[in-house]
Amino acid sequence: DADVTQTPRNRITKTGKRIMLECSQTKGHDRMYWYRQDPGLGLQLIYYSFDVKDINKGEISDGYSVSRQAQAKFSLSLESAIPNQTALYFCATSSGASGELFFGEGSRLTVL
Amino acid sequence: AQSVTQLGSHVSVSEGALVLLRCNYSSSVPPYLFWYVQYPNQGLQLLLKYTTGATLVKGINGFEAEFKKSETSFHLTKPSAHMSDAAEYFCAVSSDSGTYKYIFGTGTRLKVLA
Repeated sequence: DADVTQTPRNRITKTGKRIMLECSQTKGHDRMYWYRQDPGLGLQLIYYSFDVKDINKGEISDGYSVSRQAQAKFSLSLESAIPNQTALYFCATSSGASGELFFGEGSRLTVL
Repeated sequence: AQSVTQLGSHVSVSEGALVLLRCNYSSSVPPYLFWYVQYPNQGLQLLLKYTTGATLVKGINGFEAEFKKSETSFHLTKPSAHMSDAAEYFCAVSSDSGTYKYIFGTGTRLKVLA
């Protein structure tokens, strides 16, 4: 089984719908992250969490919210999806700033 | 604030030729530097990282990178390209300063020509 698991892997939805992307990890890491990948833009940080009670906005948090339900679970929500949120979303974990990021396989979201 | 610049969004090399992917960073504190690779339809995986110590870092699949503080660079090299190296490569920076948070470059897509 993968260390970082994202569900769903693919989702097509309509404008205005609420969408939740889920992430769970078995690495035992406290730090979890949500990134968005768009072609030519690299990865942009949406939200990050250093423990269950710590949630921080990243570079592009508008239109998104997160929930850290447990050390191992970190969910990303789009309350009212819009077409420019069509992207590939990655969850990642790390043990600290000098440690590597461990990525899930990504959730491809299409908003029509 | 930290930032990363990757020169060249697309790089093509012939099989067996030298691979050189460029990364320059900006950081007001000692940086931690990373190279990740992304194969199609997959997440990113670590190639190598620099934290402290030896400035020439060796990674997986024959890749290496050298941290040059005076040039604020962390270029990725491989002496001889293989077809399986075709992928997208991302440079990233983090640090112990503040509540961090990794910053990524925009990526370089490597194409290997037969």
